[in-house]
Amino acid sequence: QKEVEQNSGPLSVPEGAIASLNCTYSDRGSQSFFWYRQYSGKSPELIMFIYSNGDKEDGRFTAQLNKASQYVSLLIRDSQPSDSATYLCAVSTGTALIFGKGTTLSVSS
Amino acid sequence: SAVISQKPSRDICQRGTSLTIQCQVDSQVTMMFWYRQQPGQSLTLIATANQGSEATYESGFVIDKFPISRPNLTFSTLTVSNMSPEDSSIYLCSVINNEQFFGPGTRLTVL
Repeated sequence: QKEVEQNSGPLSVPEGAIASLNCTYSDRGSQSFFWYRQYSGKSPELIMFIYSNGDKEDGRFTAQLNKASQYVSLLIRDSQPSDSATYLCAVSTGTALIFGKGTTLSVSS
Repeated sequence: SAVISQKPSRDICQRGTSLTIQCQVDSQVTMMFWYRQQPGQSLTLIATANQGSEATYESGFVIDKFPISRPNLTFSTLTVSNMSPEDSSIYLCSVINNEQFFGPGTRLTVL
């Protein structure tokens, strides 16, 4: 059974701080990794994807991948109250995505 | 990108009945996916629907309970059959067009 694990949180950070979200996966053959953001009552929207070991930066977001440790993370710099949402880690099986249960982030102003 | 619409957006149904959810995409896509998101939970893949072939179901989901149609490259339906309160969930249609996009979801409540 392929699994994606996330700390459910909630993770609370003050405005302007760095939020760090973590994810581990069980399938060592996984190749593609995604972070989605889901606001309450809304559909998930893609924030970032990463395929290679190392860091990938996009604005305030940085995804980090370590395939040897089967670990992927998302850093949000200068966190804003509008970043408050549930962040879903997803791993590609080759076709569809397998999702973690998500980490709820709360950014206080 | 891909724009996905779903009908109905929400419904309240009685136990034992069936509901068919429609998913329409604004472009032709090879694979369409149906996910379920139960209250407070993450997304669980129900099945993958390819045009012209039988849908592929994930462990724990069967065709008799969740029959799927895929008549063309822009449309699919998911039926939730013989519903029980445990089927109360949000059902999401999804496609891959360079990245994976999700429809707005259908919020189902079974009484």
